[in-house]
Amino acid sequence: NAGVTQTPKFRVLKTGQSMTLLCAQDMNHEYMYWYRQDPGMGLRLIHYSVGEGTTAKGEVPDGYNVSRLKKQNFLLGLESAAPSQTSVYFCASSSGSGTSGRAFNEQFFGPGTRLTVL
Amino acid sequence: SQQGEEDPQALSIQEGENATMNCSYKTSINNLQWYRQNSGRGLVHLILIRSNEREKHSGRLRVTLDTSKKSSSLLITASRAADTASYFCATDGEGYSTLTFGKGTMLLVSP
Repeated sequence: NAGVTQTPKFRVLKTGQSMTLLCAQDMNHEYMYWYRQDPGMGLRLIHYSVGEGTTAKGEVPDGYNVSRLKKQNFLLGLESAAPSQTSVYFCASSSGSGTSGRAFNEQFFGPGTRLTVL
Repeated sequence: SQQGEEDPQALSIQEGENATMNCSYKTSINNLQWYRQNSGRGLVHLILIRSNEREKHSGRLRVTLDTSKKSSSLLITASRAADTASYFCATDGEGYSTLTFGKGTMLLVSP
C-alpha cells in the first residue's frame, strides 16, 4: 500500500495564479484532511471531509477550496494565490471507525507539498 | 486556536539520555495522540492514550495523561540520534472528527 500520496511535491506560483493539490489514499479511509504548516505555527487545519461528497471548513479556510468527488481523493484548490499562502501543505486521512484497535481519528499523513508564492 | 501546547519548544540531549516533553490542553478530550515529524517529512503517529487511561507504553515510549490538570507527557528512554525530530501532541477536544495539533517540541539527540 502506498498510504497517502500528494502531488506535486514542490511548486512555485506567481501571485494571482491558481493551482490544485491532489491527495490520494489507498486505505479506504472515510476522513481526509488538508493542513498547512508554517514555521513556529504547528499544523493548522484548512478543510476536511468526513466522507465522499462532503467537505467542512477548518481553522484557516479562507483562500482555499476543496472537493471530495471520490472517496480516495481530496483536492485542495487555490483560486488566486497570495504570498501568505507560501507554506508546506500536508494531507492526512483517518478511518472514521475504530477498527483494528486504532482510534477512528488516528491520522496518516502524506509527505507534503512545498508551495512558494512569489 | 491551538488546543495543545508542547513544552519545551526545543530540547537538546546526548544519546542514551531520556527525553521528556509535555503537552497541555484546554478542553475535555476523548483521546490524546503524539506524532513525530522528521525534517521535511510528514507526521507519523506514535502513540494514543484515551481519556480514561493514565499511562501507556510502547517500546521506548511512555505517555502519561492527567485529565485533572489537562496535561500529558511523552518520555523517550535511552534516546538515539535517530530520535532527532519534532514531536507534536494532538487532541480531539473540539470535535471527534478533527485533531488540533500543538506547535511541537524539537528534539535534538547528539551522538
